[in-house]
Amino acid sequence: DTGVSQDPRHKITKRGQNVTFRCDPISEHNRLYWYRQTLGQGPEFLTYFQNEAQLEKSRLLSDRFSAERPKGSFSTLEIQRTEQGDSAMYLCASSLEGARRAFFGQGTRLTVV
Amino acid sequence: GEDVEQSLFLSVREGDSSVINCTYTDSSSTYLYWYKQEPGAGLQLLTYIFSNMDMKQDQRLTVLLNKKDKHLSLRIADTQTGDSAIYFCAESDSGGYQKVTFGTGTKLQVIP
Repeated sequence: DTGVSQDPRHKITKRGQNVTFRCDPISEHNRLYWYRQTLGQGPEFLTYFQNEAQLEKSRLLSDRFSAERPKGSFSTLEIQRTEQGDSAMYLCASSLEGARRAFFGQGTRLTVV
Repeated sequence: GEDVEQSLFLSVREGDSSVINCTYTDSSSTYLYWYKQEPGAGLQLLTYIFSNMDMKQDQRLTVLLNKKDKHLSLRIADTQTGDSAIYFCAESDSGGYQKVTFGTGTKLQVIP
């Protein structure tokens, strides 16, 4: 297994456009997490899935953000009507339920111009 | 809410020991983690410690936990240039991994 992969690695978009990121977790992992990391800060939790169910969403996840994991495997994170404040690294991680460690992907760096 | 604090920057000479410190506020913290992030990369878990432990050693890494003072440290022995990175302290409560709170990170610079 090649670990958690995220696509694209970099995305530059104009303000107001919609963007979608994809995360492929480690194949046997049933939990998948999304984090956002802004420059000079640590990652902040956004949301997580257990299989296809989205179990928790942070208050950081505004109405413009939506995440899905339709078949309990890969996940997508969509941001609608992007704003400059959305510029950040979006990190995905996966784990087995009950595990005390998660494995992170390399992230998608979003720049909104 | 939970808060995790770290100093922003540490510079050491190659071969010396590095000590990165972290304080946290959540008294219900169950697991405490150290992650490494190299430029443009994701997070690599280095080690973690359960709150009922005082110390954990793994090769060049030593983690010390003072639960009374809510203080965590990571010591890297014989620091190498490849250790240059940002190190994040993180904590989770008994609610599970999804409630991990990260610190702001300490940038370690190793001078050859």
